[in-house]
Amino acid sequence: DQQVKQNSPSLSVQEGRISILNCDYTNSMFDYFLWYKKYPAEGPTFLISISSIKDKNEDGRFTVFLNKSAKHLSLHIVPSQPGDSAVYFCAATFSGSARQLTFGSGTQLTVLP
Amino acid sequence: DTEVTQTPKHLVMGMTNKKSLKCEQHMGHRAMYWYKQKAKKPPELMFVYSYEKLSINESVPSRFSPECPNSSLLNLHLHALQPEDSALYLCASSPYLGGELFFGEGSRLTVL
Repeated sequence: DQQVKQNSPSLSVQEGRISILNCDYTNSMFDYFLWYKKYPAEGPTFLISISSIKDKNEDGRFTVFLNKSAKHLSLHIVPSQPGDSAVYFCAATFSGSARQLTFGSGTQLTVLP
Repeated sequence: DTEVTQTPKHLVMGMTNKKSLKCEQHMGHRAMYWYKQKAKKPPELMFVYSYEKLSINESVPSRFSPECPNSSLLNLHLHALQPEDSALYLCASSPYLGGELFFGEGSRLTVL
């Protein structure tokens, strides 16, 4: 049972436009969500997070939106840059799990120059 | 120093070999993790150490043996592995159990 789902394995966006990566979850106990970015041959890098008490968190070009009623979160990157091309993993956790992360399957973002 | 350092970056071993993967961090983090990642799949948690004690073992086969000699080091001892164990092994640390993870670059393991 996949508790965190990223239904789009890949996404292509033109440089300068907005990239929107989506993530759905099924476990209503999740109360903290994170996005990680992974380049080939490197470990994942933490990007941005959001607590369930918020519906939006912004950090520079990156904004994460959380819709608890829909059990959906999204990562917006604007403007997109070629260096943003990577695999993006959504992850979720809750306090009862000792904060272990459940990862989605990832979305490969390609930003075209 | 905000890095998690993993060695070796690449390892090829036979099914009868004994080898170890090493992980080091000097950020004062008190939780360290081993993840396994196969191609095009998300990282899968293997082990978690909190304050140098094994906190979580996600039903990993005994041919994988973790060790945390001190708060900065985490080892993964490998013995009698199978070809299906070939994967990228990621070490991560966090300031405390469940904090944001800082990942190393991974050790790419190939079992022949």
